[in-house]
This record gives sequence, C-alpha cells and structure tokens, in this order.
Amino acid sequence: AQKVTQAQTEISVVEKEDVTLDCVYETRDTTYYLFWYKQPPSGELVFLIRRNSFDEQNEISGRYSWNFQKSTSSFNFTITASQVVDSAVYFCALSEDLNQGGKLIFGQGTELSVKP
Amino acid sequence: DTEVTQTPKHLVMGMTNKKSLKCEQHMGHRAMYWYKQKAKKPPELMFVYSYEKLSINESVPSRFSPECPNSSLLNLHLHALQPEDSALYLCASSQGGRVNYGYTFGSGTRLTVV
Repeated sequence: AQKVTQAQTEISVVEKEDVTLDCVYETRDTTYYLFWYKQPPSGELVFLIRRNSFDEQNEISGRYSWNFQKSTSSFNFTITASQVVDSAVYFCALSEDLNQGGKLIFGQGTELSVKP
Repeated sequence: DTEVTQTPKHLVMGMTNKKSLKCEQHMGHRAMYWYKQKAKKPPELMFVYSYEKLSINESVPSRFSPECPNSSLLNLHLHALQPEDSALYLCASSQGGRVNYGYTFGSGTRLTVV
C-alpha cells in the first residue's frame, strides 16, 4: 500500500527565511511518481513538480528546490528567501505505476504561513 | 487548452435535491478523477475513469454517482446528500497509460448541503 507522510502540520516563518517542508513516502512499487502541489486559500491545486522514481537528480526552480533521496524515501521541498505569497498549504503526493489511471495519494499537507 | 474546467464553482443544495457537478478537459487525457476535500484535510480519491470506463471506486456511497459521457467530460450526480458531504469537490485528469506525466486539477466546486 502507498502512503505519504508530512509530519509538519503547520510552519510559520518570517519573510526572507528559508524553509524546508518534509515528505516521506512508502510504496512497494519500483516505479512511482512523486509530486508537490500548492493550494492557496482560493482552493485550486497548483502543480509544482513531478519526480520519477528512476531519476534521483535534485531540481531547482527559482526559489524552489527539491531533494529526492530514495535511500530514505524522502522528497523534501525547500523555499529559499520565502515571501508572503508563498503562504499556502503544500501537499506531497505519490502515484504508483499502473496501466490505468494511477491513484494519486496525498500527504496530510503542511500549512505554511510567511509573515512580513 | 491546458485546463480542467469545473462547473459550478459554488453549489448549495438541500438534502432532497438532485444536482450534478461537471468537469471538462480538452487535453486528450484518457484518465479522469473525482476527489473530495474537507477543510484542513488532503484531497481524498473518490472515482477514477480510465478510457471512459470506471476503474476505481473508493467505496463511495451510492448517493454519489459518476458518469463519463465521453473522453472529455466527467459528471458527478448528487442525490440525497447529507450535510457532512459538504466539501470541495475536485476533478483532475491525466494522460493515462503506463507513463505518468502528471495530473491537472480543476479549481473545484464548493458544495454546501443544507
């Protein structure tokens, strides 16, 4: 069975601080996909990144970076120099490799509050 | 067109009403999903349609009835709902098949059952 754990329920930082959101996953498949989504108060889920299980290269996109470590089953997300607009709920999610539509399973989410 | 469009954005219905939620995508995606999200909780999968056939039903009560009329449309028919069914209902689509290119979500329908 697949499972995603985001141990941090809420994080509060002051603007310009760096912040890391943790994500640990469980799966028995050798091929799987990991995602991060941002959900602002308006409700829509905004796609941030997808990582395949066979590609452990870390990625940086502007102020965002992701650290994928298969050895520890973790896929952590770091925001550098946080801004008030980063305030949102962030979800880590896992999808296994299925022939049909793959089930996307979410972690509990981390609510990030960035204060000016 | 890289969007998933959901209508209506807001819906208030009584417990004896029948209503439908609509989801549409024109990206050629062959898998479509309904998720339910309660406040302060993650989205929970309800149904998956793959190539217009229901492939996953996560033991959802029969008062929720999904329908996929064609590869671009997904409906969720609602009947005799309870107040605890009030939630944000999200539709999503994906490429389908063995390679997962990701999921695109709609902005959701905020449902209130009174």
